Amino acid sequence: EVQLVQSGAEVKNPGESLKISCKGSGDSFITYWIGWVRQMPGKGLEWMGIIYPGDSDTRYSPSFQGQVTISADKSISTAYLQWSSLKASDTAMYYCARHGLRGYRDAFDIWGQGTMVTVSS
Amino acid sequence: EIVLTQSPGTLSLSPGERATLSCRASQSLSSSYLAWYQQKPSQAPRLLIYGASSRATGIPDRFSGSGSGTDFTLTISRLEPEDFAVYFCQQYGSSPFTFGQGTKLEIK
Repeated sequence: EVQLVQSGAEVKNPGESLKISCKGSGDSFITYWIGWVRQMPGKGLEWMGIIYPGDSDTRYSPSFQGQVTISADKSISTAYLQWSSLKASDTAMYYCARHGLRGYRDAFDIWGQGTMVTVSS
Repeated sequence: EIVLTQSPGTLSLSPGERATLSCRASQSLSSSYLAWYQQKPSQAPRLLIYGASSRATGIPDRFSGSGSGTDFTLTISRLEPEDFAVYFCQQYGSSPFTFGQGTKLEIK
């Protein structure tokens, strides 16, 4: 069974950097597009961007371009989401999810369990 | 950017009743690149419907999706207790692949 396993919850101060991870099981990880989705407390889902781990082709939502960096290390089947300087407004649950067989012209068929990021002084 | 508007915001129904959730897009979606997800408290979303009308693996047939262009519908034919949750639509035809704001389905 294919799974996406995310890193654990984080509590950070404003201005700190952070990199969270999403590790996929199975050899096919690098052949699927992986996306990141933000969910602020009590709110809806926001699409942040996607990456193709095979060649690190990356697409960002304009709302998140320049605010975060999406990357991947195909050798260890892991995608990352990172911030260089966190703000209190980055407090949210972050999910990684996999696009299906038709690439990014497919829905997110597998989701990670989520990583809660809390930014507070 | 395509904006998805879901209605109603909250839907109050009883088990056994039929639920009809709407998702309207600000522009026509190419090739019906529209998905529906279910999210329960403290859980990750789960894919229910893709391609506007195809059920994902393991999804019961009481869930069905329909629509094209700008108007899409998720129907739950007979509500089970486990169906009370929040439902989101998402378009993946035009980047950024936006989500609707969600419909909360609550027990009446």
